[in-house]
Amino acid sequence: DAGITQSPRHKVTETGTPVTLRCHQTENHRYMYWYRQDPGHGLRLIHYSYGVKDTDKGEVSDGYSVSRSKTEDFLLTLESATSSQTSVYFCAISHQGGGYQETQYFGPGTRLLVL
Amino acid sequence: SQQGEEDPQALSIQEGENATMNCSYKTSINNLQWYRQNSGRGLVHLILIRSNEREKHSGRLRVTLDTSKKSSSLLITASRAADTASYFCAFQGAQKLVFGQGTRLTINP
Repeated sequence: DAGITQSPRHKVTETGTPVTLRCHQTENHRYMYWYRQDPGHGLRLIHYSYGVKDTDKGEVSDGYSVSRSKTEDFLLTLESATSSQTSVYFCAISHQGGGYQETQYFGPGTRLLVL
Repeated sequence: SQQGEEDPQALSIQEGENATMNCSYKTSINNLQWYRQNSGRGLVHLILIRSNEREKHSGRLRVTLDTSKKSSSLLITASRAADTASYFCAFQGAQKLVFGQGTRLTINP
């Protein structure tokens, strides 16, 4: 999985609790992304980062926040988890971005269940 | 929605046959990419075709792009059981990659 790890790989939590997912890369790629994957929706972009402390919203950012204090780490936080945030979350990285040849490399995913 | 549409949603064929999957999109693009996802795993990049290219090959994969019709197809020749997976197109315009909903391919031995 191209030097990308995600933790935890599985998590069960209760509605209203905060949850933080971590993505760690060893490739020194500038761009990092968080997606969620749900049946019938494919992959949808939540947030992305184009450098340390530089982040922007994606298609489905409501209820999520991100932080990137180091090149190698990109954190996704659900401030107060809801059942609609039950999903599989994927982190991805790319060397280039901004609309050009943006081949992305994906982590193994985190399965999150919100009860 | 900006998402691409893939057709068919599911495809089941015999080992050795060819598999064709189609993707359509609505915006102008810089490139279009295809990814594979094995069950329970992350996506793996297969091939990228630029907007000024019409056809590209990689091993048993052949991708075509018709920008006038805003569509692309992925052909896998001489399929193998190991090709069983979901396949996603992803198109890139001025913004980020936008993924289709995927085609689930099953290769029967």
